[in-house]
Amino acid sequence: ETGVTQSPTHLIKTRGQQVTLRCSSQSGHNTVSWYQQALGQGPQFIFQYYREEENGRGNFPPRFSGLQFPNYSSELNVNALELDDSALYLCASSLGGQVGLTEAFFGQGTRLTVV
Amino acid sequence: QQQVKQSPQSLIVQKGGIPIINCAYENTAFDYFPWYQQFPGKGPALLIAIRPDVSEKKEGRFTISFNKSAKQFSLHIMDSQPGDSATYFCAASYTGNQFYFGTGTSLTVIP
Repeated sequence: ETGVTQSPTHLIKTRGQQVTLRCSSQSGHNTVSWYQQALGQGPQFIFQYYREEENGRGNFPPRFSGLQFPNYSSELNVNALELDDSALYLCASSLGGQVGLTEAFFGQGTRLTVV
Repeated sequence: QQQVKQSPQSLIVQKGGIPIINCAYENTAFDYFPWYQQFPGKGPALLIAIRPDVSEKKEGRFTISFNKSAKQFSLHIMDSQPGDSATYFCAASYTGNQFYFGTGTSLTVIP
């Protein structure tokens, strides 16, 4: 177990709705990164939060947004859901705001299905 | 543009065999190369990682070989077991804020 927990584990939403996914980082870690993993693909970087500030963003539209709280837990919000948003959403916990300096540990993911 | 290219897409070996998964990259700024193992319905789990100042790293049955001049690195699994059947991802990063993942290799180890 990595100590990174995500909720919920599964979710079904209708196209056009909004969704919030949650992640609790590993104890002592101050950085949370979110990734989208489509079926059969590698994870794609959405954004990273370090000390409650967005610290880098991948090629995702603004309807993907996030928050990090003082306890370093994080939320991923997706507005105006599209069918292509169906994927496994992963959060990764690390220390220091820069990957590669320390190990990053992933949660079990949230499987989002948009119908 | 795929920053990290991974092959093969799938691999079947007999128990005790040594599967080898290869990755190639273009960005010479990359300085951290982890391998992750993922079981169905689970998040990726860190297996082993290497930095470009060494050519090989071993942890248990897992070995990374790194060729800086060729911009390639590979994962070898010694004495593979059926429990190793999973999807393996290579990744790369520089001292920044994201990993670039390969497309994954589905490994099946036959008893």
